[in-house]
Amino acid sequence: AQSVTQPDIHITVSEGASLELRCNYSYGATPYLFWYVQSPGQGLQLLLKYFSGDTLVQGIKGFEAEFKRSQSSFNLRKPSVHWSDAAEYFCAVGARMIYNQGGKLIFGQGTELSVKP
Amino acid sequence: DVKVTQSSRYLVKRTGEKVFLECVQDMDHENMFWYRQDPGLGLRLIYFSYDVKMKEKGDIPEGYSVSREKKERFSLILESASTNQTSMYLCASRLKQGPYEQYFGPGTRLTVT
Repeated sequence: AQSVTQPDIHITVSEGASLELRCNYSYGATPYLFWYVQSPGQGLQLLLKYFSGDTLVQGIKGFEAEFKRSQSSFNLRKPSVHWSDAAEYFCAVGARMIYNQGGKLIFGQGTELSVKP
Repeated sequence: DVKVTQSSRYLVKRTGEKVFLECVQDMDHENMFWYRQDPGLGLRLIYFSYDVKMKEKGDIPEGYSVSREKKERFSLILESASTNQTSMYLCASRLKQGPYEQYFGPGTRLTVT
């Protein structure tokens, strides 16, 4: 069965420190991969996505992620965290298009990021 | 920019009431989705629609129905609300074809008392 695992429910980092959020997926083929961020009380905003090509993808707000097929992982990184990065982060995988599947996404459980001053 | 709007940010209903959650998108997207979000469970798909009047069950459709009479509007209906349907509800939309992301609305926090 398709699944996404974010092993860390909650992470706390100091402002200015580096960040890595883990995401592992189980999928029968090469999926589409996404990272979304959700600020408190808000909807989800796309940070970055991977479809094909270069396995290191750059996103908004200084985030990047690397697709590692051999490890079935798509970890999110940021070299220096800002206090405004405190939020919940979701990894998601999507099926290559099948009619009437409509680009469904499977989401991980989310990782809540706290930033210490 | 794509805009997905939801009719209410906060909603309080009583057990047994019929509840309508409305979602509208302005980018002519074919596909629309309803999720519920609960702590520790991430987002779970309730229903999605890939065309007007077309709908498919997601992972947790029980207790819910949907309606899509117009392309831009996708409604989630709780026929008889129960306390275990207290949750955050998120609507999303995307183009049908291609490797495109979903765009999300701000969410409706529903409390059933």
